[in-house]
Amino acid sequence: GIQVEQSPPDLILQEGANSTLRCNFSDSVNNLQWFHQNPWGQLINLFYIPSGTKQNGRLSATTVATERYSLLYISSSQTTDSGVYFCAVGTDKLIFGTGTRLQVFP
Amino acid sequence: SQTIHQWPATLVQPVGSPLSLECTVEGTSNPNLYWYRQAAGRGLQLLFYSVGIGQISSEVPQNLSASRPQDRQFILSSKKLLLSDSGFYLCAWSWTGREYLFFGSGTQLSVL
Repeated sequence: GIQVEQSPPDLILQEGANSTLRCNFSDSVNNLQWFHQNPWGQLINLFYIPSGTKQNGRLSATTVATERYSLLYISSSQTTDSGVYFCAVGTDKLIFGTGTRLQVFP
Repeated sequence: SQTIHQWPATLVQPVGSPLSLECTVEGTSNPNLYWYRQAAGRGLQLLFYSVGIGQISSEVPQNLSASRPQDRQFILSSKKLLLSDSGFYLCAWSWTGREYLFFGSGTQLSVL
């Protein structure tokens, strides 16, 4: 099956810093999504991005499907950005990576 | 708008007892439905998915089963819980499986 690797596993930032999260996957996919899991466990969609670049406020994402990776950029981080960020890839079903745990301190 | 309901939020069950977790989706028809489990730590593991009533695909052989008795209802069951069934169970839906995936609020299951 598809393998999904995320890096780094943990990230600690001070408020205002920028960061880049990476997702590598092992096979061609037509669905790639980024999620944020808040401290209460709720998973929130950030991007549906099987290819190309998208931006939403301080967040942006880029997927290079031919090279099988995606990047999530967080600019001017805030404490509310803390949580776990997941990349999920697949075709008819999504396989999740192990996530990047982000902690943002004031 | 579409909403997904999942209950209960927390559940403590003894080993060997049965389990039934229910998930319903409102505001859409014929959704793809999914059950994921998140063990302590981070990863989400896909357990079951369904593209229609009575159609269930199992991803991981285990002590659990799933059923879809109605278009927008997805049930996760076990006849006898094991300690290893503990975890955070999440129901999710999408329109086709190739679009956004939306999650319920999850059930924290502790098997003691």
